[in-house]
Amino acid sequence: KNEVEQSPQNLTAQEGEFITINCSYSVGISALHWLQQHPGGGIVSLFMLSSGKKKHGRLIATINIQEKHSSLHITASHPRDSAVYICAVRYSGTASKLTFGTGTRLQVTL
Amino acid sequence: DGGITQSPKYLFRKEGQNVTLSCEQNLNHDAMYWYRQDPGQGLRLIYYSQIVNDFQKGDIAEGYSVSREKKESFPLTVTSAQKNPTAFYLCASSTFRQGGVEQPQHFGDGTRLSIL
Repeated sequence: KNEVEQSPQNLTAQEGEFITINCSYSVGISALHWLQQHPGGGIVSLFMLSSGKKKHGRLIATINIQEKHSSLHITASHPRDSAVYICAVRYSGTASKLTFGTGTRLQVTL
Repeated sequence: DGGITQSPKYLFRKEGQNVTLSCEQNLNHDAMYWYRQDPGQGLRLIYYSQIVNDFQKGDIAEGYSVSREKKESFPLTVTSAQKNPTAFYLCASSTFRQGGVEQPQHFGDGTRLSIL
């Protein structure tokens, strides 16, 4: 069964802390996505990657294809980073279908 | 600005009623998707469409129906056959680069459906 596992499920951090969210998947993929869902429910795509590392502002996403693992890092966290972060993968041979993790709820306090 | 518009934001349904959720995009994307989100679960695919007048069932299509008569529009009908329709519904769209490489999906703000 193709699954996506995220850890931790919940994370509380103080402003300024370095944050890491992890994602593991089971078989070969063609792409991995990191998404951000705000309390109102809307979802924004943060990264799509198939190898290596991508950086956008204070966000960094890495992927290790051999270990089937990806991490999302947030440097110098801020309360506005509070959201649910979702990992999703497109397994090889599944056209445009994505399989989603259950999300990591991040709360950043002052 | 281009984007995806879902309406309504909140929807209430009586037992036995069909309801239709609207999804419109002006991104000129070929592919559109409907997802369902329940507490503690990942998003699950209901239906998707890669081209006008064509659509495929996702993982949880039972009790739902869709149409794709226009590129911009992909409405979802929740029928009375769906026994547990209370959920958050998200619509998304995407395009493909030359060579069939999919680009990130763009999501709407969602519709929260509740049973009265």
